Amino acid sequence: DAGVIQSPRHEVTEMGQEVTLRCKPISGHNSLFWYRQTMMRGLELLIYFNNNVPIDDSGMPEDRFSAKMPNASFSTLKIQPSEPRDSAVYFCASSLQAGRQPQHFGDGTRLSIL
Amino acid sequence: AQSVTQLGSHVSVSEGALVLLRCNYSSSVPPYLFWYVQYPNQGLQLLLKYTSAATLVKGINGFEAEFKKSETSFHLTKPSAHMSDAAEYFCAVSDQGNFGNEKLTFGTGTRLTIIP
Repeated sequence: DAGVIQSPRHEVTEMGQEVTLRCKPISGHNSLFWYRQTMMRGLELLIYFNNNVPIDDSGMPEDRFSAKMPNASFSTLKIQPSEPRDSAVYFCASSLQAGRQPQHFGDGTRLSIL
Repeated sequence: AQSVTQLGSHVSVSEGALVLLRCNYSSSVPPYLFWYVQYPNQGLQLLLKYTSAATLVKGINGFEAEFKKSETSFHLTKPSAHMSDAAEYFCAVSDQGNFGNEKLTFGTGTRLTIIP
């Protein structure tokens, strides 16, 4: 079975540009999570969805960040405008039952904002 | 509110020696507990999980963890370290509370180095 698929794997862009990260969860999973990982702050939960509905977005840093899940098989995390401090590895994860079943992680998108 | 504390951000052990990575949790309700491993340039991969069945949980790659309610601990062990075990390990906790709306709280991670 295919795991969680994230694209792109690497993204390098200039400050001020819009960045869109994409995630395809495992088929049948009803919960989806976006995380950010940096050396300084470790692994941070940004937002998570249950049945395509955002449940908790308290981890979203500021209004420049937005996430959508238009259907059960696709989610996006958008940063507009991007800043150098947004440079990090962004992970998407999905699970069958949030909290009760393990989360399955994608390989991440390594984002560099110049 | 739930939380996880991983004691020791870096642990070094010799190849063949016992691996012990410590995790203590705080939860107002019976927890679900997980250990994940992250290899360089990869996402997190589940090692094992505790979901209120047996207190001694066996995972992949020879790892196991024991849930001790009295100590609020869920330490990860492996009898004999292998070079391939070098990675970062994360402990995570989830409440068995609000069904459908639980989220995992991760520890800050422990980087395991294996000395040849």
